Amino acid sequence: DTAVSQTPKYLVTQMGNDKSIKCEQNLGHDTMYWYKQDSKKFLKIMFSYNNKELIINETVPNRFSPKSPDKAHLNLHINSLELGDSAVYFCASSQGYSADTQYFGPGTRLTVL
Amino acid sequence: AQSVTQPDIHITVSEGASLELRCNYSYGATPYLFWYVQSPGQGLQLLLKYFSGDTLVQGIKGFEAEFKRSQSSFNLRKPSVHWSDAAEYFCAVGPPSGAQKLVFGQGTRLTINP
Repeated sequence: DTAVSQTPKYLVTQMGNDKSIKCEQNLGHDTMYWYKQDSKKFLKIMFSYNNKELIINETVPNRFSPKSPDKAHLNLHINSLELGDSAVYFCASSQGYSADTQYFGPGTRLTVL
Repeated sequence: AQSVTQPDIHITVSEGASLELRCNYSYGATPYLFWYVQSPGQGLQLLLKYFSGDTLVQGIKGFEAEFKRSQSSFNLRKPSVHWSDAAEYFCAVGPPSGAQKLVFGQGTRLTINP
Protein backbone atom coordinates (compact mmCIF):
# COMPACT_ATOMS: atom_id res chain seq x y z
CA ASP A 1 0.00 0.00 0.00
CA THR A 2 1.28 3.45 -0.92
CA ALA A 3 1.67 5.55 2.22
CA VAL A 4 1.38 8.98 0.59
CA SER A 5 -0.16 9.09 -2.85
CA GLN A 6 -0.68 11.94 -5.28
CA THR A 7 -2.80 12.30 -8.38
CA PRO A 8 -2.11 12.96 -11.11
CA LYS A 9 1.55 12.05 -11.55
CA TYR A 10 1.87 14.29 -14.59
CA LEU A 11 -0.18 17.36 -15.46
CA VAL A 12 0.26 19.37 -18.67
CA THR A 13 -1.94 22.40 -19.13
CA GLN A 14 -2.18 25.82 -20.75
CA MET A 15 -1.51 29.16 -19.11
CA GLY A 16 -4.56 30.63 -17.48
CA ASN A 17 -6.19 27.31 -16.67
CA ASP A 18 -7.21 26.15 -13.19
CA LYS A 19 -6.02 22.77 -11.96
CA SER A 20 -5.99 20.65 -8.82
CA ILE A 21 -3.58 18.11 -7.41
CA LYS A 22 -4.82 15.60 -4.86
CA CYS A 23 -2.92 14.02 -2.00
CA GLU A 24 -3.94 11.21 0.31
CA GLN A 25 -2.08 9.52 3.15
CA ASN A 26 -3.00 6.24 4.81
CA LEU A 27 -0.53 6.53 7.68
CA GLY A 28 -3.00 8.01 10.15
CA HIS A 29 -0.87 11.16 10.38
CA ASP A 30 -2.18 14.47 11.69
CA THR A 31 -0.07 16.82 9.59
CA MET A 32 0.28 17.23 5.84
CA TYR A 33 2.43 19.48 3.68
CA TRP A 34 2.87 20.78 0.16
CA TYR A 35 6.33 21.45 -1.25
CA LYS A 36 7.40 22.86 -4.60
CA GLN A 37 10.56 21.61 -6.31
CA ASP A 38 11.75 23.89 -9.07
CA SER A 39 13.80 23.08 -12.14
CA LYS A 40 17.02 23.39 -10.12
CA LYS A 41 15.74 20.75 -7.68
CA PHE A 42 15.32 23.34 -4.94
CA LEU A 43 12.59 22.25 -2.52
CA LYS A 44 10.54 24.80 -0.67
CA ILE A 45 7.61 24.37 1.65
CA MET A 46 4.35 26.01 0.63
CA PHE A 47 1.70 24.97 3.14
CA SER A 48 1.10 22.71 6.09
CA TYR A 49 -2.12 21.55 7.74
CA ASN A 50 -2.47 19.98 11.17
CA ASN A 51 -5.81 18.33 11.89
CA LYS A 52 -7.32 20.21 8.96
CA GLU A 53 -6.06 23.58 10.22
CA LEU A 54 -3.53 25.67 8.31
CA ILE A 55 -0.32 26.04 10.34
CA ILE A 56 2.26 27.00 7.73
CA ASN A 57 1.51 29.40 4.91
CA GLU A 58 4.65 30.55 3.18
CA THR A 59 4.85 33.44 0.77
CA VAL A 60 2.89 31.84 -2.01
CA PRO A 61 0.69 33.64 -4.56
CA ASN A 62 -2.94 33.53 -3.52
CA ARG A 63 -3.66 31.71 -6.78
CA PHE A 64 -2.60 28.65 -4.76
CA SER A 65 -5.23 27.42 -2.35
CA PRO A 66 -4.85 24.29 -0.25
CA LYS A 67 -7.88 22.44 1.02
CA SER A 68 -8.00 19.72 3.63
CA PRO A 69 -11.40 17.99 3.70
CA ASP A 70 -10.14 15.59 6.37
CA LYS A 71 -6.87 14.60 8.06
CA ALA A 72 -6.00 12.09 5.36
CA HIS A 73 -6.34 14.46 2.41
CA LEU A 74 -4.70 17.70 1.38
CA ASN A 75 -5.46 19.01 -2.07
CA LEU A 76 -3.82 21.89 -3.89
CA HIS A 77 -5.83 24.05 -6.23
CA ILE A 78 -4.08 26.48 -8.55
CA ASN A 79 -5.93 29.24 -10.38
CA SER A 80 -4.81 31.10 -13.48
CA LEU A 81 -1.72 28.99 -14.03
CA GLU A 82 1.47 30.75 -15.10
CA LEU A 83 4.62 29.48 -16.79
CA GLY A 84 6.53 29.87 -13.53
CA ASP A 85 4.24 27.41 -11.82
CA SER A 86 5.87 24.59 -13.77
CA ALA A 87 7.55 22.42 -11.15
CA VAL A 88 7.25 19.16 -9.28
CA TYR A 89 4.85 19.40 -6.35
CA PHE A 90 5.35 17.04 -3.44
CA CYS A 91 2.89 16.20 -0.74
CA ALA A 92 4.18 14.94 2.61
CA SER A 93 2.77 13.90 5.96
CA SER A 94 3.98 13.48 9.53
CA GLN A 95 2.49 12.16 12.75
CA GLY A 96 2.71 15.44 14.62
CA TYR A 97 3.60 18.94 13.56
CA SER A 98 6.77 19.23 15.61
CA ALA A 99 10.04 17.37 15.11
CA ASP A 100 8.54 14.48 13.24
CA THR A 101 9.75 12.61 10.20
CA GLN A 102 7.97 13.69 7.06
CA TYR A 103 6.96 11.04 4.54
CA PHE A 104 6.82 12.21 0.95
CA GLY A 105 4.59 11.28 -1.93
CA PRO A 106 5.96 10.51 -5.42
CA GLY A 107 5.37 14.02 -6.72
CA THR A 108 3.25 15.60 -9.44
CA ARG A 109 5.11 17.11 -12.37
CA LEU A 110 3.17 20.17 -13.54
CA THR A 111 4.03 21.66 -16.92
CA VAL A 112 2.39 24.92 -17.95
CA LEU A 113 2.58 25.71 -21.66
CA ALA B 1 18.05 33.62 7.94
CA GLN B 2 17.88 29.87 7.98
CA SER B 3 19.77 28.17 5.18
CA VAL B 4 21.35 24.89 4.19
CA THR B 5 24.33 24.63 1.88
CA GLN B 6 25.38 21.53 0.06
CA PRO B 7 28.62 22.64 -1.59
CA ASP B 8 28.81 19.79 -4.08
CA ILE B 9 26.20 19.88 -6.82
CA HIS B 10 27.42 16.65 -8.41
CA ILE B 11 29.74 13.92 -7.16
CA THR B 12 30.95 10.86 -9.02
CA VAL B 13 32.46 7.89 -7.20
CA SER B 14 33.34 4.37 -8.20
CA GLU B 15 31.33 1.46 -6.94
CA GLY B 16 32.84 0.19 -3.73
CA ALA B 17 34.50 3.50 -2.90
CA SER B 18 33.70 5.51 0.19
CA LEU B 19 31.43 8.53 0.07
CA GLU B 20 31.04 11.76 1.97
CA LEU B 21 28.40 14.35 1.12
CA ARG B 22 28.75 17.70 2.80
CA CYS B 23 26.06 19.76 4.46
CA ASN B 24 26.43 23.05 6.32
CA TYR B 25 23.62 24.98 7.87
CA SER B 26 22.87 28.40 9.27
CA TYR B 27 20.23 28.43 12.00
CA GLY B 28 19.41 30.46 15.10
CA ALA B 29 19.47 27.48 17.43
CA THR B 30 20.56 23.88 17.07
CA PRO B 31 18.06 22.54 14.59
CA TYR B 32 16.86 19.08 13.88
CA LEU B 33 18.80 17.66 10.94
CA PHE B 34 17.78 15.28 8.20
CA TRP B 35 19.13 13.58 5.11
CA TYR B 36 16.71 12.52 2.40
CA VAL B 37 17.36 10.63 -0.83
CA GLN B 38 15.42 11.06 -4.05
CA SER B 39 15.72 8.41 -6.74
CA PRO B 40 14.85 9.46 -10.31
CA GLY B 41 11.12 10.09 -10.67
CA GLN B 42 10.48 9.24 -7.03
CA GLY B 43 9.59 11.08 -3.88
CA LEU B 44 11.98 11.70 -1.02
CA GLN B 45 12.89 8.96 1.42
CA LEU B 46 14.36 9.65 4.84
CA LEU B 47 17.86 8.22 5.28
CA LEU B 48 18.50 9.41 8.82
CA LYS B 49 17.85 12.20 11.27
CA TYR B 50 19.46 13.87 14.26
CA PHE B 51 17.44 15.33 17.07
CA SER B 52 19.76 15.05 20.09
CA GLY B 53 22.19 12.72 21.84
CA ASP B 54 24.94 10.80 20.07
CA THR B 55 26.27 12.99 17.30
CA LEU B 56 26.95 10.02 15.03
CA VAL B 57 23.66 8.70 13.70
CA GLN B 58 23.04 5.56 11.73
CA GLY B 59 20.50 5.38 8.97
CA ILE B 60 19.11 3.03 6.41
CA LYS B 61 21.05 1.50 3.51
CA GLY B 62 24.35 1.65 5.42
CA PHE B 63 24.49 5.45 5.65
CA GLU B 64 25.62 7.43 8.68
CA ALA B 65 26.00 11.12 9.43
CA GLU B 66 27.90 13.10 12.01
CA PHE B 67 26.64 16.30 13.58
CA LYS B 68 29.40 18.78 14.37
CA ARG B 69 28.00 21.76 16.23
CA SER B 70 31.24 23.76 16.07
CA GLN B 71 31.27 23.50 12.28
CA SER B 72 27.49 23.70 11.78
CA SER B 73 27.82 20.59 9.66
CA PHE B 74 25.97 17.34 9.20
CA ASN B 75 27.92 15.32 6.65
CA LEU B 76 26.62 12.06 5.25
CA ARG B 77 28.94 9.09 4.81
CA LYS B 78 28.93 5.58 3.48
CA PRO B 79 31.98 3.29 3.58
CA SER B 80 31.27 1.48 0.31
CA VAL B 81 28.76 2.68 -2.28
CA HIS B 82 26.63 0.47 -4.47
CA TRP B 83 25.35 1.27 -7.95
CA SER B 84 21.84 1.54 -6.47
CA ASP B 85 22.97 4.53 -4.38
CA ALA B 86 22.95 6.73 -7.47
CA ALA B 87 20.35 9.40 -6.65
CA GLU B 88 19.89 12.97 -5.46
CA TYR B 89 20.64 13.58 -1.78
CA PHE B 90 19.10 16.41 0.21
CA CYS B 91 20.13 17.75 3.58
CA ALA B 92 17.40 19.55 5.54
CA VAL B 93 17.00 21.37 8.83
CA GLY B 94 13.92 21.94 10.93
CA PRO B 95 13.10 23.80 14.11
CA PRO B 96 13.51 21.94 17.44
CA SER B 97 9.94 22.88 18.32
CA GLY B 98 6.84 24.17 16.64
CA ALA B 99 5.63 23.58 13.12
CA GLN B 100 8.10 21.58 11.04
CA LYS B 101 9.04 24.01 8.33
CA LEU B 102 11.91 22.08 6.78
CA VAL B 103 14.55 24.06 4.92
CA PHE B 104 16.33 22.02 2.27
CA GLY B 105 19.72 22.31 0.64
CA GLN B 106 19.89 22.34 -3.13
CA GLY B 107 20.84 18.70 -3.29
CA THR B 108 23.88 16.69 -4.38
CA ARG B 109 23.55 14.39 -7.35
CA LEU B 110 25.51 11.18 -6.88
CA THR B 111 26.70 9.21 -9.88
CA ILE B 112 28.29 5.79 -9.46
CA ASN B 113 30.90 4.53 -11.90
CA PRO B 114 30.92 0.76 -12.40
